[in-house]
Amino acid sequence: QQQVKQSPQSLIVQKGGISIINCAYENTAFDYFPWYQQFPGKGPALLIAIRPDVSEKKEGRFTISFNKSAKQFSLHIMDSQPGDSATYFCAAKAAGNKLTFGGGTRVLVKP
Amino acid sequence: KAGVTQTPRYLIKTRGQQVTLSCSPISGHRSVSWYQQTPGQGLQFLFEYFSETQRNKGNFPGRFSGRQFSNSRSEMNVSTLELGDSALYLCASSLDSTRSNEKLFFGSGTQLSVL
Repeated sequence: QQQVKQSPQSLIVQKGGISIINCAYENTAFDYFPWYQQFPGKGPALLIAIRPDVSEKKEGRFTISFNKSAKQFSLHIMDSQPGDSATYFCAAKAAGNKLTFGGGTRVLVKP
Repeated sequence: KAGVTQTPRYLIKTRGQQVTLSCSPISGHRSVSWYQQTPGQGLQFLFEYFSETQRNKGNFPGRFSGRQFSNSRSEMNVSTLELGDSALYLCASSLDSTRSNEKLFFGSGTQLSVL
């Protein structure tokens, strides 16, 4: 049972554009929602994370928007750069280190 | 500070064999988790160890096992390998795991191919 659904599976954006990735979850026990960035041949790296008591969090060009009532959250990458080309995973967890991941979004930023 | 170190980087095995993968967490981190990554199933949680005790376990068969040593280093073992066990096995470490917002740091993984 996939408890975190992520969309789209892939997206192509022009340099300077905005990349938007959406995730939805089912388990209301989740209370921590991180986003990971993964480059080929590397493990996932924590990008930004949010707790459900906050509706938005911004770090540099990366912003998470969180809608607790809809059980949805999204990642916005502003001013996308070719170096942002990677696979992005949303995730969710309750206490403990069992992360439940979304299926991933492959982002390609064209110069 | 060194990151999470996983060895070996690549492994090729045949069906029926067993394999042991190793993970050295970031210095000072006491929690080690293991994940399996495949193109079809994505990233899936295998198990977590803290202070040499398994704290949590994912939905994998008993052929998958692990352990943690007193220095927090961890190993995972897969016995009677099947073709479907071909995957990238990732180890992640954190200081602790009692808080939900504990940050996990991943290694680069061990790519296992089962022929």
